[in-house]
Amino acid sequence: QVQLEESGPGLMQPSETLSLTCTVSGFSLTSNGVGWVRQPLGKGLVWMGTIWAGGSTNYNSAVQSRLSISRDTSKSQVFLKMNSLQPEDTGTYYCARHDRPHNNWAYYFDYWGQGVMVTVSS
Amino acid sequence: DIQMTQSPASLSASLGETVTIECRASEDIYSNLAWYQQKPGNSPQLLIYDANSLADGVPSRFSGSGSGTQYSLKINSLQSEDVASYFCQQYNNYPFTFGSGTKLEIK
Repeated sequence: QVQLEESGPGLMQPSETLSLTCTVSGFSLTSNGVGWVRQPLGKGLVWMGTIWAGGSTNYNSAVQSRLSISRDTSKSQVFLKMNSLQPEDTGTYYCARHDRPHNNWAYYFDYWGQGVMVTVSS
Repeated sequence: DIQMTQSPASLSASLGETVTIECRASEDIYSNLAWYQQKPGNSPQLLIYDANSLADGVPSRFSGSGSGTQYSLKINSLQSEDVASYFCQQYNNYPFTFGSGTKLEIK
């Protein structure tokens, strides 16, 4: 079955670089894109970026200058790196799989990981 | 960026009732809209995609409708396990954007 699992440090200092890993199973990264979504505590969801099945990436312009998403297909892992962390980057970070029906070009999120909580504080 | 305006922000209803949550996009998103359910402490789960297609395993009491800029999620015969927050999301344009959420409680 399809599974995604995020991992990474829970506590970061301001100005540090965050590195998160999303390990997937039940599908291939060369068949489905994977995106990252952030949720501040008690608040809504913000799409951060996606790495597509072909390896291309798209980022939310709000974080694009600080964000990089990459992958290792042999290990079924997707990586998020975000520099210059600030307290407002605190929240739960989810990775999620993209999918689409055969008759549509547009991709929604069909499976989500359980999320990893990241706190940015001095 | 496409703004997704979701209403109401919170909703309280009785078991067995029918509830409707609305989502309005700031421009036409051509039915590229999904609805997610997020139970407390859990990650979001896909309910509806392409505005009106039910995701695998989702009970048929959930339904989606709409087109253009106006969309809605209807829950028939409300059950206790439906207590959750519900989010809409457009995936027609970058950046993908979500509604601010509706928190559903049982009266």
